[in-house]
Amino acid sequence: ARKITQTQPGMFVQEKEAVTLDCTYDTSDQSYGLFWYKQPSSGEMIFLIYQGSYDEQNATEGRYSLNFQKARKSANLVISASQLGDSAMYFCAMREGPWMDSSYKLIFGSGTRLLVRP
Amino acid sequence: SAVISQKPSRDICQRGTSLTIQCQVDSQVTMMFWYRQQPGQSLTLIATANQGSEATYESGFVIDKFPISRPNLTFSTLTVSNMSPEDSSIYLCSVQGATDTQYFGPGTRLTVL
Repeated sequence: ARKITQTQPGMFVQEKEAVTLDCTYDTSDQSYGLFWYKQPSSGEMIFLIYQGSYDEQNATEGRYSLNFQKARKSANLVISASQLGDSAMYFCAMREGPWMDSSYKLIFGSGTRLLVRP
Repeated sequence: SAVISQKPSRDICQRGTSLTIQCQVDSQVTMMFWYRQQPGQSLTLIATANQGSEATYESGFVIDKFPISRPNLTFSTLTVSNMSPEDSSIYLCSVQGATDTQYFGPGTRLTVL
């Protein structure tokens, strides 16, 4: 069964340092997509980064990068140069359904709460 | 990415009443999705709404409790019916963008007393 696991309920990081948030997944699909979202206390879900299963390069978006290890089925989020505004919940998610299928749904991990210390 | 708005942003409701949540997108989209996030929990898909057809509900969610309308390609509503305190959650709508990514609205924070 498709599943997303985030084993870190909470993490601390010092401002300006890098932090890695763990995500492992389980699927038998050959084609899948992996996503990271940020949820501040306001409740909105902010898209951060995406990795397709066939992408050979690790995805990067500004200070965010995704450490994709396909054989290990892991998709860890790396945030460089942490800022106070990075304090939030972070969710890893996986697309369930065929690529280019407009009706695909996302399954989410349990989330990691990140607190950036000044 | 699409710009998505939701109304209301938050509400406090009495047990037994119903609340309709609106979701508006600034561009036409085929599919819209409704998720629920109970306190301290992750997101769970309620249903997928396609314009002009019945919504498709996930296991554990039924149309009588969560009726959905999708009158056009930029708008959808979710009604939470006969509410109980267990319905207190954040309700989020999302749409799939041109790329393989779903974008979310700001959410509706519902408290049922």
